[in-house]
This record gives sequence, structure tokens and C-alpha cells, in this order.
Amino acid sequence: EPEVTQTPSHQVTQMGQEVILRCVPISNHLYFYWYRQILGQKVEFLVSFYNNEISEKSEIFDDQFSVERPDGSNFTLKIRSTKLEDSAMYFCASSVAEGEVGELFFGEGSRLTVL
Amino acid sequence: SQQGEEDPQALSIQEGENATMNCSYKTSINNLQWYRQNSGRGLVHLILIRSNEREKHSGRLRVTLDTSKKSSSLLITASRAADTASYFCATVMQGAQKLVFGQGTRLTINP
Repeated sequence: EPEVTQTPSHQVTQMGQEVILRCVPISNHLYFYWYRQILGQKVEFLVSFYNNEISEKSEIFDDQFSVERPDGSNFTLKIRSTKLEDSAMYFCASSVAEGEVGELFFGEGSRLTVL
Repeated sequence: SQQGEEDPQALSIQEGENATMNCSYKTSINNLQWYRQNSGRGLVHLILIRSNEREKHSGRLRVTLDTSKKSSSLLITASRAADTASYFCATVMQGAQKLVFGQGTRLTINP
């Protein structure tokens, strides 16, 4: 069964360093998302991406965040200068639906620890 | 303010009993979805109900939607220990290209 894959599963970094989280969405999906979940808390929307551009982004998704689909298969989230409060689980998701948002397929997440 | 809020935050029941979780939201929606998350894992879609639907079933799951009260409920019948997980409702607001998740209900099924 097709699935969304994410790498790395866990990354530890020093404050101020750049981090790139990678995702391979399901191949025929058109919409891509990043969410984050701070330990034990709610799942927060970061950004949605369609047709090679950002569809919608949250207040969390400030200038230190960027997304890219560099080669037609990978979908990356870059955090330019990490802060302690960026420590969280980051989930990538994809969806086949065009128009109304339908079922999202999530990866297993990348746990980011900022020291 | 949050779009989706769930009640209760935690629920512990005996295996075989039914579990009911509720979700309230604030604005008009296109659809409402329920997801499950096992500890430390990704979210898994359970069921989607559109704004013009009132009830939907999938196996042991029953979801209701009351748009006049802006609320939904998820019922899991004949619960099993393997149903232990966190359950989240998520809404798609009209015109939005995102799911907004509630705080979740942590369900524990005791054998």
C-alpha cells in the first residue's frame, strides 16, 4: 500500500543551525502539507502546497521556514535557524483531492530536538 | 481560539464497552474528519463526514455531525485493547486548504 515516508526519523541539532526535513508523498497526490506536534499537544498546521506554490500557511510558518519540491518526488521543510521552541514532531501529509480537502495521508514523522 | 475542541480530554473504559468522543467547532465547515494516533506514530484517517451528511458508519465506528450545534461525535462500539490511542477531530473550513485539528481525546481501553 502506498505510504508517505519521512526522513530522518529523529534529528538532534544545535540552536541556530539549519535543518531540512524530507518527505516523499504518495506519487499521484497533488496536495502536500506540513504539520507539527509539540510533545503531548495538538497537531498544528504549518503549510499547504499545491502546484509548486504555497496554498496556505499559518502564523507559525514565518520567514525562518520554507518548503520546496525540488525534484517532483521529494517535499522538504527547511528551518533556517532553529530555536529551542522548534523542538517537536514534524509530520508530512499528502492528499489526492483537488478542490475540497479530503483524506490526508500522514507519514510517521520526524522528531526534531533543538539543544 | 481553537476551531476544534474535544471532550473528554481523556477517557478510560473496559474492553467491550462503547466509547464516545465529542468535538465542537466554531465556523462553517466543508467536512469534518476523525483521525487516530498511536503514541509516537503518525495520524491515521478514520472517517470523513461532509457538511450535508448527518451520520456515517465504518465498521465499529459511527460518526454524527450536527451543523446547527457545530458538533460531532465519534462512537467506537465493542472497544478492544488495540483501540487505545489518541483520537482527533479535524475540520476543513469553507474556502480553506488545510485541516485544523482539535486537542484530541486520549482513549485507554482496559483489558
